[in-house]
Amino acid sequence: NAGVTQTPKFRILKIGQSMTLQCTQDMNHNYMYWYRQDPGMGLKLIYYSVGAGITDKGEVPNGYNVSRSTTEDFPLRLELAAPSQTSVYFCASSEGSGQYFGPGTRLTVT
Amino acid sequence: GQNIDQPTEMTATEGAIVQINCTYQTSGFNGLFWYQQHAGEAPTFLSYNVLDGLEEKGRFSSFLSRSKGYSYLLLKELQMKDSASYLCAGPGPGGGNKLTFGTGTQLKVEL
Repeated sequence: NAGVTQTPKFRILKIGQSMTLQCTQDMNHNYMYWYRQDPGMGLKLIYYSVGAGITDKGEVPNGYNVSRSTTEDFPLRLELAAPSQTSVYFCASSEGSGQYFGPGTRLTVT
Repeated sequence: GQNIDQPTEMTATEGAIVQINCTYQTSGFNGLFWYQQHAGEAPTFLSYNVLDGLEEKGRFSSFLSRSKGYSYLLLKELQMKDSASYLCAGPGPGGGNKLTFGTGTQLKVEL
């Protein structure tokens, strides 16, 4: 049981480039989330999903897109990367109480 | 929605007890979570309180008072490995399973 996995672990992007952050969970959880965490700050919710085919915006969705075609996968798409998107991105899943987090993707946009 | 407030930093001595406080708005309450996050790692779930009172899990305990919008995490017999950030989280805007996280309390355990 791998839990929540994320790829890549690290990435450097140039301004204007695009990329997809991958997230997969093998716990059959319906709920999945994407957060970003800036240094010394708490986690900010970008997007979330309550099940396959259903997604909704969180607190800071601008500049990002998501899809949820299966229960297991919840990729996060960055279009036209900007320096303000330099952050650590965490994916999480839950079913009932308690969210389980992936190891994170450290993204730098220069 | 929630405003989650917790102290930025705390320092404590190995073997001692430390209490980390968290206050939140009481509207839309649906449970209060505590997470531990070591530097460079993902948050890990510590506790979930939905009823008033103290819940104990080994060296860690969590307390909730819903009427006061107040929670604390109590760490006993502190160890060096307890040096980490402790995040308090409550229900996010719109409720459901969304969470709003505090900025975290950075705990440093010293000899």
